[in-house]
Amino acid sequence: EVQLVESGGGLVQPGGSLRLSCAVSGFIVSNSYMTWVRRAPGKGLEWVSVIYSDGTTYYADSVKGRFTISRDNSKNTIYLQMHSPRAEDTAVYYCARVGLDTATMISGLFDLWGQGSLVIVSS
Amino acid sequence: EVVMTQSPDTLSVSPGERATLSCRASQSVSSNLAWYQQKPGQPPRLLIYRASTRATDIPARFSGSGSGTEFTLTISSLQSEDIAFYYCQQYNNWPPLTFGGGTKVEIK
Repeated sequence: EVQLVESGGGLVQPGGSLRLSCAVSGFIVSNSYMTWVRRAPGKGLEWVSVIYSDGTTYYADSVKGRFTISRDNSKNTIYLQMHSPRAEDTAVYYCARVGLDTATMISGLFDLWGQGSLVIVSS
Repeated sequence: EVVMTQSPDTLSVSPGERATLSCRASQSVSSNLAWYQQKPGQPPRLLIYRASTRATDIPARFSGSGSGTEFTLTISSLQSEDIAFYYCQQYNNWPPLTFGGGTKVEIK
């Protein structure tokens, strides 16, 4: 069975740090593009970061230089390290697999999602 | 960055009636457009990809159309379980992957 299970969310002070984890079963993360997407209260979905199968990473401008995505192949887990979070980073964070449209060989659709982990940035 | 704009913000539809949601891209995304449904307390679920292909186990009442910059998601006969937020997302030119602001579908 395919599962993505996030953990590590909670209350963090502005300027602190927090690490989210996404433990995956049912497929190999190192063979996939994996991503973090968030939804802030009262707002829509926002893509945060991606890690490619070759380890290349990209970030949304809103988190660049503050967040780091990584993966542990031995644990089949991806992470999002949040440094110096701000109040506007308060959101439910989802890990998701970036799927491939096999008819066009174009990737970029989110075909599998975790249940989400709530992060609240507040003093 | 490709900016995605959805309309309306909220759509009120009677049960059994048709719901039509719109999505516009700031530049052509070809047919590389997906739709997601998100119910309260749940993660998003992929409904449609490649603008018009239903994902696995998605009911036939959901259909997508369009290409280039204009796209539509249609729910042919609204059911109570379809009450949710709906998001479009382009994957033609990324990173960044970009979503529309969402449309809330409610029962009239």
